[in-house]
Amino acid sequence: AQSVTQLDSHVSVSEGTPVLLRCNYSSSYSPSLFWYVQHPNKGLQLLLKYTSAATLVKGINGFEAEFKKSETSFHLTKPSAHMSDAAEYFCVVSGGYSGGGADGLTFGKGTHLIIQP
Amino acid sequence: DGGITQSPKYLFRKEGQNVTLSCEQNLNHDAMYWYRQDPGQGLRLIYYSQIVNDFQKGDIAEGYSVSREKKESFPLTVTSAQKNPTAFYLCASSIRLLAGNTYNEQFFGPGTRLTVL
Repeated sequence: AQSVTQLDSHVSVSEGTPVLLRCNYSSSYSPSLFWYVQHPNKGLQLLLKYTSAATLVKGINGFEAEFKKSETSFHLTKPSAHMSDAAEYFCVVSGGYSGGGADGLTFGKGTHLIIQP
Repeated sequence: DGGITQSPKYLFRKEGQNVTLSCEQNLNHDAMYWYRQDPGQGLRLIYYSQIVNDFQKGDIAEGYSVSREKKESFPLTVTSAQKNPTAFYLCASSIRLLAGNTYNEQFFGPGTRLTVL
């Protein structure tokens, strides 16, 4: 069984200030973890993924995330927010293919990032 | 360019009608998925297919049906049995489910917004 919790439903920051979106997970397997971004009325775009290589993962648009097994966290950060970062962000955990036909992906409920000018 | 297309972008349905949402991919992916997205709910899996002529129910399959006659196509039918079909529907694909503790990321289409009148 696996689950993912995004700790904030909304985060508001000023343009040019750091961004922190928090995600905690639980998984019976060694998980793969993803962050996706969704702009209004659009599909999801992959920002970055962790698949048991380096614990600090760099993604597109200046985002990065650090996998911390001891804290079961995978927080998303960016040093300086831009207006174009305003969107919905989803943390996703995968426990891998169970062999029983399970999909394996579990989505968080999302964090809405607001950028103040 | 490779990608996933969904049509139509907006769809309106009268109560009691069945409607079919189209999803096509030219990424040569084996696995395809349908998700439903409601505000504040994240994504919930409706159906998925790992191979042609085979598909599995996800978490909320009641009132929906799918087919997978071709590798590149995975249409979703929303039947009159679905009591609350108004939502944003997202189709996704991935290379394939892998055994063990690894997983490939999913690529998403732009979505179809279904409204019941």
